[in-house]
Amino acid sequence: EVVMTQSPATLSVSLGERATLSCRASQSISSNLAWYQQKPGQAPRLLIYGASTRATGIPARFSGSGFVTDFTLTISSLQSEDSAVYYCQQYSNWPPLTFGGGTKVEIK
Amino acid sequence: EVQLVESGGGLIQPGGSLRLSCAASGFTFSSYSMHWFRQAPGKGPEWVSYISASGTAMHYADSVKGRFTTSRDNAKNSLYLHMNSLTDEDTAMYYCAAGGAFEDRPPWGQGTLVTVFS
Repeated sequence: EVVMTQSPATLSVSLGERATLSCRASQSISSNLAWYQQKPGQAPRLLIYGASTRATGIPARFSGSGFVTDFTLTISSLQSEDSAVYYCQQYSNWPPLTFGGGTKVEIK
Repeated sequence: EVQLVESGGGLIQPGGSLRLSCAASGFTFSSYSMHWFRQAPGKGPEWVSYISASGTAMHYADSVKGRFTTSRDNAKNSLYLHMNSLTDEDTAMYYCAAGGAFEDRPPWGQGTLVTVFS
């Protein structure tokens, strides 16, 4: 099973500042990584797939990068509506599909 | 409107059984493989099961293997999760989601809550 590790657990960022979230896979997953955003009481929402491709309707301030085992989600200029928990998920070696433990982004 | 709507959750005692449903609309359901995910309170999402578009291939997480069965009825645009021998650890919000190419996937459903209590 591919173990996904996210850091930090919580990230406090001021409005308009950059937020950088990390995700590491326990083995190579090539670019088979997705990022999801989840707000309280809502289902996870797909942000990024293929490590760097934004899903339909996702603002350009969200970008993804990385390959093999180390990945990053960047929010270039944090908006109030970006306060949420962010999860990475690998779909390279499955079953099972596996998620990271999440990073909570809060407004400083 | 493209959507997935889960139903069938509720309160159930340990050892009990429950069947969840997921109704698809606004897209060609029979062309998509499907997944069930769950999320325990305060935890991250966990993959539960997969079923191919035709319904001939299934995969399960080790935590539910032998207790849960996923099926689908493409004529009714519906996905199901049959859950047996439920335990406290199965308490979670259960979501259905489409598989396949990410470019075409509908968003996850809003979930149905299963609470196993003694």
